Amino acid sequence: DTAVSQTPKYLVTQMGNDKSIKCEQNLGHDTMYWYKQDSKKFLKIMFSYNNKELIINETVPNRFSPKSPDKAHLNLHINSLELGDSAVYFCASSQAGHRGEKLFFGSGTQLSVL
Amino acid sequence: EDQVTQSPEALRLQEGESSSLNCSYTVSGLRGLFWYRQDPGKGPEFLFTLYSAGEEKEKERLKATLTKKESFLHITAPKPEDSATYLCAVQDSKAAGNKLTFGGGTRVLVKP
Repeated sequence: DTAVSQTPKYLVTQMGNDKSIKCEQNLGHDTMYWYKQDSKKFLKIMFSYNNKELIINETVPNRFSPKSPDKAHLNLHINSLELGDSAVYFCASSQAGHRGEKLFFGSGTQLSVL
Repeated sequence: EDQVTQSPEALRLQEGESSSLNCSYTVSGLRGLFWYRQDPGKGPEFLFTLYSAGEEKEKERLKATLTKKESFLHITAPKPEDSATYLCAVQDSKAAGNKLTFGGGTRVLVKP
């Protein structure tokens, strides 16, 4: 039973389209994240939600909008896709806490914008 | 701003040839330093958390150590299945949430 699952695994689309990536975790965690891994393999935080509340919003174009319907789900909607949005997007979750809580990652969504 | 730098970028080892990976970091206050392993086409998989200088953790052929400015991941007598990208990340006690700031990773290839 996958702990953090995201769909789709691959997403190929044209510039200008709108697309969504879905994420679900069954670990009972309070906090969920979206990370972007670029072609050089750097993982960068985009957003974080704690119990459906946005707590981290890094410098990300406002074409990217996260939505958390409940604490087990965090979706990412992207409007007007651009070539530079091509990357692998990872969802993650962790327990809220004060002492270095580890993140559990999904297997990623490879987005290719043509 | 938190910074994490990993070296080398890539490492080719013969099976059984021990080596070390370096992770240098700058952070306001360290809540934790994390090591992850990432296989191609998969998400990062947790290996270790280190919380304070002098701490060490071991798992099979891997051993992680921490000082105030860097961490090392030692791979002892590696096997081909240890081939992966190893990622280092820090959590800043002064930052919101539990976000991780990652380094660029070290790609390790172990040849039989």
